[in-house]
Amino acid sequence: EVQLVESGGGLVKPGGSLRLSCAASGFTFSSYSMNWVRQAPGKGLEWVSSISSSSSYIYYADSVKGRFTISRDNAKNSLYLQMNSLRAEDTAVYYCASVGSAPALDYWGQGTLVTVSS
Amino acid sequence: QSALTQPASVSGSPGQSITISCTGTSSDVGSYNLVSWYQQHPGKAPKLMIYEGSKRPSGVSNRFSGSKSGNTASLTISGLQAEDEADYYCCSYAGSSTFWVFGGGTKLTVL
Repeated sequence: EVQLVESGGGLVKPGGSLRLSCAASGFTFSSYSMNWVRQAPGKGLEWVSSISSSSSYIYYADSVKGRFTISRDNAKNSLYLQMNSLRAEDTAVYYCASVGSAPALDYWGQGTLVTVSS
Repeated sequence: QSALTQPASVSGSPGQSITISCTGTSSDVGSYNLVSWYQQHPGKAPKLMIYEGSKRPSGVSNRFSGSKSGNTASLTISGLQAEDEADYYCCSYAGSSTFWVFGGGTKLTVL
């Protein structure tokens, strides 16, 4: 069974940093690209970042470019999102999602809440 | 402002069919056969329902179908059931600079 479990969310002050993690199991993590997608409270989904299976290709939404860094450790079946210079508008539930055999976000974690507030 | 445009809400009675539209541009929906649809119940993670415009992942009911014409994709749910009540989001690949773009979401109410 595919499982994606996010962790690392919490309350942080504006300008602060946070590192999210996503632990994957039940599939060959090293073969698939991974993504972070966020959802502000009461709002829709927003793609944040994507990383290819071997980390060769990395992409960011304009809203986080230069502040967030996506990375992965295939030996540990883990995905990360380093978030710096956090703003109130970064407040959201952050989901990790895989792109597997279907060219779509086929499996999602349960999400971790990041709250940026003073 | 979301990149893809969806109606804010739709409703239908049990047993009926509904269709949710998703309008993009020639840079996303119109350029790639990579439209997907997600179902999200309150407090839960999104679930993939349709990919590549019209394909269903294993385990998704055949009451869910998708189509695309030009810059507009559609999700149709037939034989509405109470458990279909949820938010639905469309998504399209939009090239290596924008990557994935989502619609604003449609709240489906089963009357």
